[in-house]
Amino acid sequence: ETGVTQTPRHLVMGMTNKKSLKCEQHLGHNAMYWYKQSAKKPLELMFVYSLEERVENNSVPSRFSPECPNSSHLFLHLHTLQPEDSALYLCASSQSYRTGGTNYGYTFGSGTRLTVV
Amino acid sequence: ILNVEQSPQSLHVQEGDSTNFTCSFPSSNFYALHWYRWETAKSPEALFVMTLNGDEKKKGRISATLNTKEGYSYLYIKGSQPEDSATYLCAFYNQGGKLIFGQGTELSVKP
Repeated sequence: ETGVTQTPRHLVMGMTNKKSLKCEQHLGHNAMYWYKQSAKKPLELMFVYSLEERVENNSVPSRFSPECPNSSHLFLHLHTLQPEDSALYLCASSQSYRTGGTNYGYTFGSGTRLTVV
Repeated sequence: ILNVEQSPQSLHVQEGDSTNFTCSFPSSNFYALHWYRWETAKSPEALFVMTLNGDEKKKGRISATLNTKEGYSYLYIKGSQPEDSATYLCAFYNQGGKLIFGQGTELSVKP
């Protein structure tokens, strides 16, 4: 157990469905992140939250909608996705945003493998 | 555009071999360089976070060096074991506040 828990591990959804990915950490970290990994590509930063406030939105389409209700929980709401959105979605946390995980790095969850059909 | 390049993309070695990988990153606006190990079906795990030019860090048989002036870092594994098989990611953290990842080096160690 890494300290960052993501659910579900696998998700298959149709293009007209609405679903949500959940991320939870109880490490006392103040920053949380969503990353996307498509096949054969590097991890791609999607969103950054610092102290529950969104500080980065990396030109992500509006069909992805993040939510951070408190410093321990992060959601990614999905609606009207496209097949090309199929990927591994990773959540991560760090002690604070601007120090970039300087002491211990980021702590990652195991990811949600999303398939859009 | 911030590019982080890792080489080689994949590596197959025999148990007991020593190996090394390279990470190249922009030398401007440097803040930190991270290395992660990512085993299949698990989460990426931080190995090292390096901030100072000339830094060397070690964890067991794995060590890393950092050259911020020329923009590269090396990761070394001494006496590779099958349990070292994983993808090794480096990531560059700049003063703009983003952690940018390379594509990774996939290491396979055969018994």
